[in-house]
Amino acid sequence: EVQLLESGGGLVQPGGSLRLSCAASGFTFSTYAMSWVRQAPGKGLEWVSGISGSGDSTYYVDSVKGRFTISRDNSKNTLYLLMNSLRAEDTAVYYCAKRDQYWYFDLWGRGTLVTVSS
Amino acid sequence: EIVLTQSPATLSLSPGERATFSCRASQSVSSYLAWYQQKPGQAPRLLIYDASNRATGIPARFSGSGSGTDFTLTISSLEPEDFAVYYCQHRSNPETFGQGTKVEIK
Repeated sequence: EVQLLESGGGLVQPGGSLRLSCAASGFTFSTYAMSWVRQAPGKGLEWVSGISGSGDSTYYVDSVKGRFTISRDNSKNTLYLLMNSLRAEDTAVYYCAKRDQYWYFDLWGRGTLVTVSS
Repeated sequence: EIVLTQSPATLSLSPGERATFSCRASQSVSSYLAWYQQKPGQAPRLLIYDASNRATGIPARFSGSGSGTDFTLTISSLEPEDFAVYYCQHRSNPETFGQGTKVEIK
């Protein structure tokens, strides 16, 4: 079955760190670029970070640059997001998403909730 | 950075009615625009890519049109499962999404 499964979310204090994982199955993971997209409670979608299939190229929204690091392990079919210096405004459901050949997001995980609060 | 503005914010319609909503870009995005559907508690689902192409498995009642700065998503006859939030997205760096249009039952 083609799917993405996120894990690693939870409650963390402001200034803390968290690492999200996204396990991919059912497709050739290394062939596709991947991204993290988040959704704050009751709000819209915000793209956070992206990475090429090889992992050589990475991209970030300005609000997370220097704090978040995206990476992937193609031998384990897994995408990661290391989040440091977390802020209350980072509270959201974080989705991993696969890009298709047209560069749109054709497969999404169910999401993992990150709550930043003291 | 390109800004996408969706209208209306909310659309109240009955099953069987036609739904039409808009996405306007702050500058030309050619045809590089997608539409997604999101139901409560679920991940978004790709409906339309490159402005007018239906994604795999998407019913024919969904259609997209437009180019440049003005785009439209049309649902020809609303089914009960179509009541959801719809987002447009431009493939770019950084990626941008519109703020969403909620289609609710009247």
